[in-house]
Formats: sequence, C-alpha cells, structure tokens
Amino acid sequence: SQTIHQWPATLVQPVGSPLSLECTVEGTSNPNLYWYRQAAGRGLQLLFYSVGIGQISSEVPQNLSASRPQDRQFILSSKKLLLSDSGFYLCAWKDSYTEAFFGQGTRLTVV
Amino acid sequence: SQQGEEDPQALSIQEGENATMNCSYKTSINNLQWYRQNSGRGLVHLILIRSNEREKHSGRLRVTLDTSKKSSSLLITASRAADTASYFCATDNYGGSQGNLIFGKGTKLSVKP
Repeated sequence: SQTIHQWPATLVQPVGSPLSLECTVEGTSNPNLYWYRQAAGRGLQLLFYSVGIGQISSEVPQNLSASRPQDRQFILSSKKLLLSDSGFYLCAWKDSYTEAFFGQGTRLTVV
Repeated sequence: SQQGEEDPQALSIQEGENATMNCSYKTSINNLQWYRQNSGRGLVHLILIRSNEREKHSGRLRVTLDTSKKSSSLLITASRAADTASYFCATDNYGGSQGNLIFGKGTKLSVKP
C-alpha cells in the first residue's frame, strides 16, 4: 500500500535561517507530488507541484523553493526564512483525477 | 488561488443531528473531493464525486454535485462527537494545472455530546 512520510512534525527556526522539509512516498511510482501551506484556521494554499524528477512548478511567488531529486522524494527549502513563512506545511501525492494522500504535516514557527 | 468556497465557516450541532456543508467553485472540473482534517493533522480523503455524477454515498456521508450551479454539498447524518473536525472541498480541474487539487477554506464542525 502507498504511504507518505513527512518530517519533522514541528520545527522552530529563527528568522534568516535555512529550511529543509522532506517528504517521501512509498508504494507508488511517478506520483504527482505537492507542497501546500495552511495558515492558522485557513484553507490550503498550493505552493509547488511536481509531475516528475526535476520538474517543479510554482503556484505563488515566495521565499521558498522545491526540488525533486528522486522519483519519490520532494523537498521544500528556503535559504533565509521570514516570519511570514510560519505555518503548517503539508506534502501530498496523487495521480491525475484521483484522491490525494497527505503526510501528517510540519508545523513551522519562525521566531 | 482559492477555487472552492465552503459555507458555513463554522457549524456547531448536537450529537445525533445532521450536518450539512456547502461548497461553491468557479471553473470546470473533472471531479470534486471532500476531505477531513483533525486539528493539527494531515487531511484524509472522504469521498470523490465525478462531474458526471449527481449524488454519492459512503456510510453516513452523502455528497451531491450540481455542475450547473457549480456547487456541492456534504451531509453527515447522525453525527457523533468524533466527527468534530474541519471539512474541505477540493476541485480537480481541467486545464493547465491538470491533476492539481484546489482547496476551499473549510468548514469547522463541532459536534457536542
């Protein structure tokens, strides 16, 4: 069966520090991978999606970047965090026109 | 950008009552999906309804879709305290972002025992 792992669960980082969040998927090949951000009490904002290795599409301009070095690995990064980068980050995978499977999320607090 | 817009934003009911949440969207869709999120956790898929379907059932869940009005509703019957969570609709659209789910802001459901 397919599983998705996302870590860490919580992270507190100072302003200006780098960020690396990792997501890996098991039990499927060539999935579409997604990074979402959820502000407190709000809906999900799509940040990045990837349809294959090295293929990244950004939905909104921001201080973050994403990479897909392997088929089942998706990384969210920043060189210098801002206070506004705080939020709940969710990784997900899906195939076209099917349901999505989400990781458990990373609560990022930038202080 | 947001596609689905749920209402109400918050709903508080007593155990045993039915809960109805609505979702409106803007563009043509392949399917519409409903998800549940417990506080501080990832989302869990509940049900998917395709654009050529009008109604779908799964246990105590009933979803309707009206593509002419670009709207959907999620009905939870005989609610339980364990149904307390946020519920989101998401659309799977045609076009440039094929296969991407666009989420609404969610309805926060509180079921009181």
